[in-house]
Amino acid sequence: GAGVSQTPSNKVTEKGKYVELRCDPISGHTALYWYRQSLGQGPEFLIYFQGTGAADDSGLPNDRFFAVRPEGSVSTLKIQRTERGDSAVYLCASSLMGLASDTQYFGPGTRLTVL
Amino acid sequence: ILNVEQSPQSLHVQEGDSTNFTCSFPSSNFYALHWYRWETAKSPEALFVMTLNGDEKKKGRISATLNTKEGYSYLYIKGSQPEDSATYLCAFPDTGANSKLTFGKGITLSVRP
Repeated sequence: GAGVSQTPSNKVTEKGKYVELRCDPISGHTALYWYRQSLGQGPEFLIYFQGTGAADDSGLPNDRFFAVRPEGSVSTLKIQRTERGDSAVYLCASSLMGLASDTQYFGPGTRLTVL
Repeated sequence: ILNVEQSPQSLHVQEGDSTNFTCSFPSSNFYALHWYRWETAKSPEALFVMTLNGDEKKKGRISATLNTKEGYSYLYIKGSQPEDSATYLCAFPDTGANSKLTFGKGITLSVRP
């Protein structure tokens, strides 16, 4: 079946602009996660959803970052007033029930470059 | 803040060599340990989810073991092939009720033909 998809695959923007990154999880998966990976680091947690609600948003770095999942499937990560430090690969993952032992299936990521 | 350590940071081996990596994690309140392989320009691929002390899992030439009492997991690759070249990541969920993962920095493996 179809895996997790993310669009766009690459996004180049200018400092100060607004961007939206989209994630389509595996159908039927209730949990959806956003991570970001900067050069030389492992992926870092941003936010995760159980259904439509954010179960934990403690990884969002500041109030410029916001994410939604209005119908419990597709999610959008929104970044306002982008800064050069936001440049990273943004990864989305989904899992069946959001248990600690559930496999999280990842999309290919969106590479964001802020000039 | 959870601390997940991986070693070595990078590894260069010859085709046919066997290799192993270490992942260290907090041994208290263990819930699960995840291993991923991430090839350039692809999605991170789930290899194993390990939950029980003494667990040993195998997928082709790759296997992993788990010691929850001392807080480490080993990943072994037998007879490395160039297609094994990738970054190998281990990750640890925050709690039993919160499944967000804390990742190590990863180990980059290069296999020379």
